Amino acid sequence: DAGVTQSPTHLIKTRGQQVTLRCSPISGHKSVSWYQQVLGQGPQFIFQYYEKEERGRGNFPDRFSARQFPNYSSELNVNALLLGDSALYLCASSSLLEETQYFGPGTRLLVL
Amino acid sequence: QKEVEQDPGPLSVPEGAIVSLNCTYSNSAFQYFMWYRQYSRKGPELLMYTYSSGNKEDGRFTAQVDKSSKYISLFIRDSQPSDSATYLCAITSSGGSNYKLTFGKGTLLTVNP
Repeated sequence: DAGVTQSPTHLIKTRGQQVTLRCSPISGHKSVSWYQQVLGQGPQFIFQYYEKEERGRGNFPDRFSARQFPNYSSELNVNALLLGDSALYLCASSSLLEETQYFGPGTRLLVL
Repeated sequence: QKEVEQDPGPLSVPEGAIVSLNCTYSNSAFQYFMWYRQYSRKGPELLMYTYSSGNKEDGRFTAQVDKSSKYISLFIRDSQPSDSATYLCAITSSGGSNYKLTFGKGTLLTVNP
């Protein structure tokens, strides 16, 4: 079975631009979470979606938004990019049957 | 005080050594404990998961939880160069699909041949 997939793998943007990151969960998983990992730190929770509804939001500004589609894939959008948004953005999926999350390879975003 | 504190490392050991990685947490509501391994420029990979105090063993890996002390550990026996990675502890307060993981900062481990 395929694991969590994310696209693109790498992205370079300039300050003020907008970016959309995509995630496909493991087949059968209905929950998707997004995390931001800055170099040298552990991942920080951004959002969780379950059955297309937002179930949790971390301490991130409104420039960050997300949505989940009927096929349970998800997009993370970040507007008005700042240099500090440069990070590895991780998507994780989980199911009701398992009490843990499985991560994708991440999208590495560099804001210049 | 941060919710999850993890020994910063970095940690460098010879091949075959026993490695001990540790985290402490402050919120007694945390019930589920995980260890992830993250190779450079990759996503975290789940290693161990437990929800009760005591030890859980899987091959060369043992996860230990002491809820009374709010202390969790990961032991790696007979460490190998392929174990060189960053190890992240992750904790959550509820199960099912409606929870977030709170991570430690990560400990960078290098196992030298």
